[in-house]
Amino acid sequence: DVKVTQSSRYLVKRTGEKVFLECVQDMDHENMFWYRQDPGLGLRLIYFSYDVKMKEKGDIPEGYSVSREKKERFSLILESASTNQTSMYLCASSSIRGSYEQYFGPGTRLTVT
Amino acid sequence: ILNVEQSPQSLHVQEGDSTNFTCSFPSSNFYALHWYRWETAKSPEALFVMTLNGDEKKKGRISATLNTKEGYSYLYIKGSQPEDSATYLCAFHSGAGSYQLTFGKGTKLSVIP
Repeated sequence: DVKVTQSSRYLVKRTGEKVFLECVQDMDHENMFWYRQDPGLGLRLIYFSYDVKMKEKGDIPEGYSVSREKKERFSLILESASTNQTSMYLCASSSIRGSYEQYFGPGTRLTVT
Repeated sequence: ILNVEQSPQSLHVQEGDSTNFTCSFPSSNFYALHWYRWETAKSPEALFVMTLNGDEKKKGRISATLNTKEGYSYLYIKGSQPEDSATYLCAFHSGAGSYQLTFGKGTKLSVIP
């Protein structure tokens, strides 16, 4: 079974803090994604990566950066957390072979106070 | 940004009722249409990946159809059960060298025992 794990299920941070969200997958997938999910807005893509050290902006990259130093790990960084970044963050991965089906982690509910 | 619409936004049905919902997507640059089920407190899980016009897929009591020419897909649930309660997401994959999926906002299904 594909396993995508995220470092925390719940996180509370203060405005202005630097926040790291970690995601690890164990299926040797090339592609990894970070989404945020907000009520009424659905899943929105923040960044994705199709290879180590490669990254592409998604639909809402402002205020975020990412790092992919190893194939299995994709980190989302909030340089200076703000209250409008309070959200559910989901990581996903997919293979470049087959159907491109995405496998999701359990999510991190981040609250910025 | 691609437009992927799902309707209805939410749905309440009685146990045993059959139901269906719709996903509409751009009819050009089509590569695949994904359906995911997202249960509360769990990760989204893939139900179907559909690529061919006229495709019909089935998993137990859940089935889906695809019309790429007019840009819509239907998801059907026969004899709904409380365990079917979840948010159902569709996602459009335009291919053309992209690994990204564009998600709709989902249909939240509640099955009342």
